[in-house]
Amino acid sequence: ETGVTQTPRHLVMGMTNKKSLKCEQHLGHNAMYWYKQSAKKPLELMFVYSLEERVENNSVPSRFSPECPNSSHLFLHLHTLQPEDSALYLCASSQTKGGGRSSQFFGPGTRLTVL
Amino acid sequence: AQSVTQPDIHITVSEGASLELRCNYSYGATPYLFWYVQSPGQGLQLLLKYFSGDTLVQGIKGFEAEFKRSQSSFNLRKPSVHWSDAAEYFCAVGTGGFKTIFGAGTRLFVKA
Repeated sequence: ETGVTQTPRHLVMGMTNKKSLKCEQHLGHNAMYWYKQSAKKPLELMFVYSLEERVENNSVPSRFSPECPNSSHLFLHLHTLQPEDSALYLCASSQTKGGGRSSQFFGPGTRLTVL
Repeated sequence: AQSVTQPDIHITVSEGASLELRCNYSYGATPYLFWYVQSPGQGLQLLLKYFSGDTLVQGIKGFEAEFKRSQSSFNLRKPSVHWSDAAEYFCAVGTGGFKTIFGAGTRLFVKA
């Protein structure tokens, strides 16, 4: 595997389900990001981890819970979601040096549908 | 406030024609500017970036962009568009923290 991978690619869940999104990067980066991409809206930064420590948390509802066990893996745990949470969830990675000024490498995303 | 504006929601060009996608930014410090492309069902891919130096930067797939500080612009250009260029294009500005501010995107349609 190369680059940034995300699983699953598609997920349909009910509002009472618990599910997790997984992201893995094979680039040797040490910063990882979760973004939400909704139709007709700019990308929304949700969380950033640098060296496995959360450094950004953009007022995301607590029904989204991130986890970064090591610099190569990032999870987004989902619980009691709402239909408006349906979106494409993108994971990205970059070098820590430079922060937001570093080029980011994106995974293909998980298309989430909440019924 | 920091922001990125892409005035065109969508653009249609004929294959072989030239392309220019507009981007204006608002950022107080020296901007780090990026253009990304997203094909259907895919994540974003970096086309090019500007940090400093020559204001005309070259990227992948034959794209280039010009930084104009006086106009707060970073427009993306390509001299001859190919059908495979049909995608959504995002302009972004990187901040000193871990935030990158993205524009809302411009969808490019290419007609034969």
